Amino acid sequence: GAVVSQHPSRVICKSGTSVKIECRSLDFQATTMFWYRQFPKQSLMLMATSNEGSKATYEQGVEKDKFLINHASLTLSTLTVTSAHPEDSSFYICSARDLLAGAQVTQYFGPGTRLTVL
Amino acid sequence: AQSVTQPDIHITVSEGASLELRCNYSYGATPYLFWYVQSPGQGLQLLLKYFSGDTLVQGIKGFEAEFKRSQSSFNLRKPSVHWSDAAEYFCAVAGRGNTGKLIFGQGTTLQVKP
Repeated sequence: GAVVSQHPSRVICKSGTSVKIECRSLDFQATTMFWYRQFPKQSLMLMATSNEGSKATYEQGVEKDKFLINHASLTLSTLTVTSAHPEDSSFYICSARDLLAGAQVTQYFGPGTRLTVL
Repeated sequence: AQSVTQPDIHITVSEGASLELRCNYSYGATPYLFWYVQSPGQGLQLLLKYFSGDTLVQGIKGFEAEFKRSQSSFNLRKPSVHWSDAAEYFCAVAGRGNTGKLIFGQGTTLQVKP
């Protein structure tokens, strides 16, 4: 149980284009999903908290107009990197909290999406 | 300030040897505590968690961790390491409020020698 998927797993795009990454909770409902960015050999950096049916909450220093988050349902959140540039190249990981779990703080992570911007 | 420290950036152990990965946290109150493992190019898998009760918690893959309030520590242990345990290990904490935000340590890279 508690499986989170991400799609695509790997994407290469040209500078200036937009890329959408999907995060799905497959066997549970998630009112809250989180988006992280991870640089090589580093820990995870929280970008934003995505709440179903409301606006995402962005961490300090994260450009909300560049990283658009939509949490359309209890099982799907999307991250769109708009007008991507090479410095946006990174490993993006999402996680989800199980709504019905006894302790709602446990986060289950997706497999990640490797974004390369040329 | 809230923080998580994993003092060992890189650890190498021989296969079959015991393992202990250290984690110390700084938090206003006792937080929820987690250990995650990440294989190269993959997401994070939950190994175990501590919310309350017995301070020695058992996880998957033969891992256990012990919460020591007096030392603000949550060290991860395994009695006999397998080559497949080679990965990145992250300790994380979350407050007992409802935001659920995780604060991660810097991670420890485990290398296993044959």
